[in-house]
Amino acid sequence: GAVVSQHPSRVICKSGTSVKIECRSLDFQATTMFWYRQFPKQSLMLMATSNEGSKATYEQGVEKDKFLINHASLTLSTLTVTSAHPEDSSFYICSARIPLLAGYNEQFFGPGTRLTVL
Amino acid sequence: GDSVTQMEGPVTLSEEAFLTINCTYTATGYPSLFWYVQYPGEGLQLLLKATKADDKGSNKGFEATYRKETTSFHLEKGSVQVSDSAVYFCALSDPFNDYKLSFGAGTTVTVRA
Repeated sequence: GAVVSQHPSRVICKSGTSVKIECRSLDFQATTMFWYRQFPKQSLMLMATSNEGSKATYEQGVEKDKFLINHASLTLSTLTVTSAHPEDSSFYICSARIPLLAGYNEQFFGPGTRLTVL
Repeated sequence: GDSVTQMEGPVTLSEEAFLTINCTYTATGYPSLFWYVQYPGEGLQLLLKATKADDKGSNKGFEATYRKETTSFHLEKGSVQVSDSAVYFCALSDPFNDYKLSFGAGTTVTVRA
């Protein structure tokens, strides 16, 4: 149980185009999903928190108009990188959080999406 | 704010060697602690967790004990295998920070046959 998928796993696009990445919780409902960015040989950086039915909350320094997040259902969140540039090339990872139980929290991670902008 | 500091790598070991990766944390509240593993080109997998002081998390031969007095959660394995080669991340989830995960920098472990 608690499987999270991402699509696509890899994408190459031209500079100036937009790219959409999907994150799905396959066997549970996730009211909260998270989007992370990981640079080579570095840790994960939280970009934003995505809550179903409401606007995403972005971390400091992350451009909300650049990285559009939509959490339209309890099993799907999307990240759209708008007008992508080479510096947006990175590994993007999503996670889904099970509903909080007695204060306990666990996130389940997707396999990641490798974005390369030419 | 919350932070996680873990031992810098890379770490290179021979098969059947003992592995320790140190991890210490700073948190506002009473966090849950996690170790995640990332294999090349993949996302993160939860390796083990502990939700309160003195809890011991264990999985696949790996162990870590939640030490509140030393604010530590060191990862250990008594006999590593080549298949344990991966990047290991220590992380905490703080209820005072809406349970967001804070990650350490990651430690790359390579096990040689």
